[in-house]
Amino acid sequence: GDSVTQMEGPVTLSEEAFLTINCTYTATGYPSLFWYVQYPGEGLQLLLKATKADDKGSNKGFEATYRKETTSFHLEKGSVQVSDSAVYFCALTPLNYGGATNKLIFGTGTLLAVQP
Amino acid sequence: DVKVTQSSRYLVKRTGEKVFLECVQDMDHENMFWYRQDPGLGLRLIYFSYDVKMKEKGDIPEGYSVSREKKERFSLILESASTNQTSMYLCASSVSEDTQYFGPGTRLTVL
Repeated sequence: GDSVTQMEGPVTLSEEAFLTINCTYTATGYPSLFWYVQYPGEGLQLLLKATKADDKGSNKGFEATYRKETTSFHLEKGSVQVSDSAVYFCALTPLNYGGATNKLIFGTGTLLAVQP
Repeated sequence: DVKVTQSSRYLVKRTGEKVFLECVQDMDHENMFWYRQDPGLGLRLIYFSYDVKMKEKGDIPEGYSVSREKKERFSLILESASTNQTSMYLCASSVSEDTQYFGPGTRLTVL
């Protein structure tokens, strides 16, 4: 079945460092891909998304490119801040014969800790 | 602003109790979801609903039931709580296959 694999954390970085969180997926067809972020004590919120191959999603300095050839959607940011400390989830919307479904399949999450 | 609210942030119950978790959204969304979040396992879908009085099982429905009598409200029911249901429960809503909007979560502890 469809699945998402993301790198295990925690990822600990100093402020202004470059961030990469790896995400790969297994799916039939061309699912939509998402990154969600969960700040301490809060629910998840959408960070960015991409709906087709080669699309780049971006928001708040974060970027991810939908790579069909490597089935990947890695999250990157050029210069992290302490306020970026959170858990990051990669997710996909699986397809069925009727098209996109309403469900999300999540990876296990990656904790990012940014130190001043 | 989009708003999904959950009835409690923290809840402590005893084994065997019937537990109700309530979720309300104010966006007129058709779809609503219940997930549980556990360390190392990410989010797993328990049940979802795509319309009033309609429900579908997710990946881990055992031990849970749901109710959706009104479009804005989706309830998760633990008929007889057990210690392995201690978890963070997250509710979400969406329109079609678009972005899901999440509530703040309910951390349930079953003693």
